[in-house]
Amino acid sequence: ELKVEQNPLFLSMQEGKNYTIYCNYSTTSDRLYWYRQDPGKSLESLFVLLSNGAVKQEGRLMASLDTKARLSTLHITAAVHDLSATYFCAVVDPNTGNQFYFGTGTSLTVIP
Amino acid sequence: GAVVSQHPSRVICKSGTSVKIECRSLDFQATTMFWYRQFPKQSLMLMATSNEGSKATYEQGVEKDKFLINHASLTLSTLTVTSAHPEDSSFYICSGGQGLSPLHFGNGTRLTVT
Repeated sequence: ELKVEQNPLFLSMQEGKNYTIYCNYSTTSDRLYWYRQDPGKSLESLFVLLSNGAVKQEGRLMASLDTKARLSTLHITAAVHDLSATYFCAVVDPNTGNQFYFGTGTSLTVIP
Repeated sequence: GAVVSQHPSRVICKSGTSVKIECRSLDFQATTMFWYRQFPKQSLMLMATSNEGSKATYEQGVEKDKFLINHASLTLSTLTVTSAHPEDSSFYICSGGQGLSPLHFGNGTRLTVT
């Protein structure tokens, strides 16, 4: 079974600082997604990364994918309080097409 | 963008009763629907995958007789929690997708079994 691990699990950072969340996965896959979840809510799609070296940016968030290292990163630049949420990466199992496996999640708290 | 409507958003039921959760894709045809369960402060755990018109595929450890999934059309999938018990209390999320597009998630259902 494909395993997806995120690091760190919990992150507390001050506004204005930068930080990176890491997502490692165990089996070759060419599709990786990042989602945001606010407390009590469902998931909001942030990025879709479909190829090695892919980089996507939206506002203060930037995601990248290295399929050879089986690693994706979500970089936060100059954090603001509104970014406080739980972030999940998800990897598609190439053997089952659309089946997603979610990472452990990173709970981010941005302190004013 | 594509929307998945999940209903109800919250439900409280007594132990031993059954609860049905609906998931509808509003502006696309979801050939595959996924049902997830999420405990507080944990990740999403895939329960089952359903394809329209066929039986659902359950993940290991998920009781198919307890969590009945029906995917009768390309726009509707249901999850019925039968004879619910307090340990079934959780946040249930459905999602639907097509091809390489990201999954579209429902807003989730908070189930509390008393």
